[in-house]
Amino acid sequence: DAGITQSPRHKVTETGTPVTLRCHQTENHRYMYWYRQDPGHGLRLIHYSYGVKDTDKGEVSDGYSVSRSKTEDFLLTLESATSSQTSVYFCAISPGPTGELFFGEGSRLTVL
Amino acid sequence: GENVEQHPSTLSVQEGDSAVIKCTYSDSASNYFPWYKQELGKRPQLIIDIRSNVGEKKDQRIAVTLNKTAKHFSLHITETQPEDSAVYFCAASGSTSGTYKYIFGTGTRLKVLA
Repeated sequence: DAGITQSPRHKVTETGTPVTLRCHQTENHRYMYWYRQDPGHGLRLIHYSYGVKDTDKGEVSDGYSVSRSKTEDFLLTLESATSSQTSVYFCAISPGPTGELFFGEGSRLTVL
Repeated sequence: GENVEQHPSTLSVQEGDSAVIKCTYSDSASNYFPWYKQELGKRPQLIIDIRSNVGEKKDQRIAVTLNKTAKHFSLHITETQPEDSAVYFCAASGSTSGTYKYIFGTGTRLKVLA
């Protein structure tokens, strides 16, 4: 498996609290992605990064922000969590924009 | 932006039969079309991909076809086995104004009945 880890793997939080998910890679890949997975919706792109400090919005970016201050880390922040953000979040990495995505193990977030 | 539609959402086949999953995409700039398999409780993993300069690609029991004119691509699994049971996702990636978005379809749950 590619060197990609997500933390935390499981989190339960309350509505209105801030939450940060971390994606860490040891592959030196340029592209990093955050997806959420919900039944019936598949994998939806939240934000992605194509280099340090270079990020762009995906399909469902409202309520989420990201930061990438170094190659190996891509942070996803929910400024004020809502119940609709209860989901499984996957980070993925890729050496280029058109190639295999290597996924992390996922982070299950429950917002009460 | 890019939109990828995938059908069917569920598919049940008898062991040994073939399975076909179809996807359509909207962005004509897309040029890379991968397929991922996700087993229960696991992360998605690439099983096959195709680029826009190729019409068909085969790897043992799985094959992918691409029709760029119609903007659709399909996954074909022959001689299905119980271990093929999983959720399959298609995706499309391409550049619009210099940045790339990697967009997935909504997934197909394949059940292979023994």
